[in-house]
Amino acid sequence: NAGVTQTPKFRVLKTGQSMTLLCAQDMNHEYMYWYRQDPGMGLRLIHYSVGEGTTAKGEVPDGYNVSRLKKQNFLLGLESAAPSQTSVYFCASRMTSGAPPRGGSYNEQFFGPGTRLTVL
Amino acid sequence: GENVEQHPSTLSVQEGDSAVIKCTYSDSASNYFPWYKQELGKRPQLIIDIRSNVGEKKDQRIAVTLNKTAKHFSLHITETQPEDSAVYFCAASLSGTASKLTFGTGTRLQVTL
Repeated sequence: NAGVTQTPKFRVLKTGQSMTLLCAQDMNHEYMYWYRQDPGMGLRLIHYSVGEGTTAKGEVPDGYNVSRLKKQNFLLGLESAAPSQTSVYFCASRMTSGAPPRGGSYNEQFFGPGTRLTVL
Repeated sequence: GENVEQHPSTLSVQEGDSAVIKCTYSDSASNYFPWYKQELGKRPQLIIDIRSNVGEKKDQRIAVTLNKTAKHFSLHITETQPEDSAVYFCAASLSGTASKLTFGTGTRLQVTL
């Protein structure tokens, strides 16, 4: 299993450009999340999804849109990038049924490797 | 919404000493408290978690304690080793709310030889 993967790993945008970050998981998890991580501020929830076709706003949703057309994929879009969106973006997923992996926790969120985005 | 405060922001200990990181939360309804470890340039990974019906949980050198009355929980690492050097995040969530996590701002732990 690849777990949670993110594409791309790095990206540089100019102000006003748009882009889409892709998160994919092969663990059949229902819940998926997008976070941003900024120095000294921990991880903050942008948007989340509790299942295919559903999305909801998190703590810092402004300037972002998301879609969950397939259960395994969660896309994060920036329509008009701003320098304030320079950050590291992490995707995560969580199981809601079945047994957790050996030594794991049922409530555990599994994170992807992150995407480092710079907006000039 | 939930607010989680974490202290200290940096912590330096000598190898073999213990390290303690503390977090407080604001929403008394929160019932799940995980701790994540993030090495430089890597993804956060769960190291231990606790639910509100338990006061303490231990896994080898790592333990977490929870005081629901005071709304604070702590991570204890004993016999620290250089590979424990990382940033540690606490978080809180409420079951039934899509398990949305509110994270603390992180503690950078440095274990020196």
